[in-house]
Amino acid sequence: ETGVTQTPRHLVMGMTNKKSLKCEQHLGHNAMYWYKQSAKKPLELMFVYNFKEQTENNSVPSRFSPECPNSSHLFLHLHTLQPEDSALYLCASSQRLVPALSYEQYFGPGTRLTVT
Amino acid sequence: QKEVEQNSGPLSVPEGAIASLNCTYSDRGSQSFFWYRQYSGKSPELIMSIYSNGDKEDGRFTAQLNKASQYVSLLIRDSQPSDSATYLCAVNPESGAGSYQLTFGKGTKLSVIP
Repeated sequence: ETGVTQTPRHLVMGMTNKKSLKCEQHLGHNAMYWYKQSAKKPLELMFVYNFKEQTENNSVPSRFSPECPNSSHLFLHLHTLQPEDSALYLCASSQRLVPALSYEQYFGPGTRLTVT
Repeated sequence: QKEVEQNSGPLSVPEGAIASLNCTYSDRGSQSFFWYRQYSGKSPELIMSIYSNGDKEDGRFTAQLNKASQYVSLLIRDSQPSDSATYLCAVNPESGAGSYQLTFGKGTKLSVIP
């Protein structure tokens, strides 16, 4: 166990549904990340939060909406998704963000999302 | 376009042999380098980080970094079937303020044959 938990672990949703993914870290970290992992493609960074403030949004469609109420919790709100959004969604955390240095990131188990 | 390249494999090695996994990166200013192991259906697990040229050893794992050649590798000594997984190389592409992203390669699938 890495100290990063994600719920649900599996999610099947229709294109008109609204759902949320939850991530919680118990490591005392201050930076949290959402990644998307699709088959045959590298991990894609979606969002980054540092001390609850969003620092990166990698041109992610607005049907994905992140929320970070505190340094320990991160949500990804989903609505009107497309079948191509089916993937493994991974949450990660690190100690903090510092320019010119990358602290190790620790991943949660992921949510396997299927959009029908 | 900042890129991290890995041979997708599969790389097959016999049990007890040395597995050598390679990664090249395009951004010469990269400062931080990581190796993750990902079992099928699981999330990536950090196994090594390296920041300076040379070798870094941790148990059966050795990471090697050559910034001049823009090359980082992972050696696994005495390979075990439990090492069979996909190994992801990740690189922090830039130094300086504002760049916190890790760029990941597609991963190399390693198969250790008993």
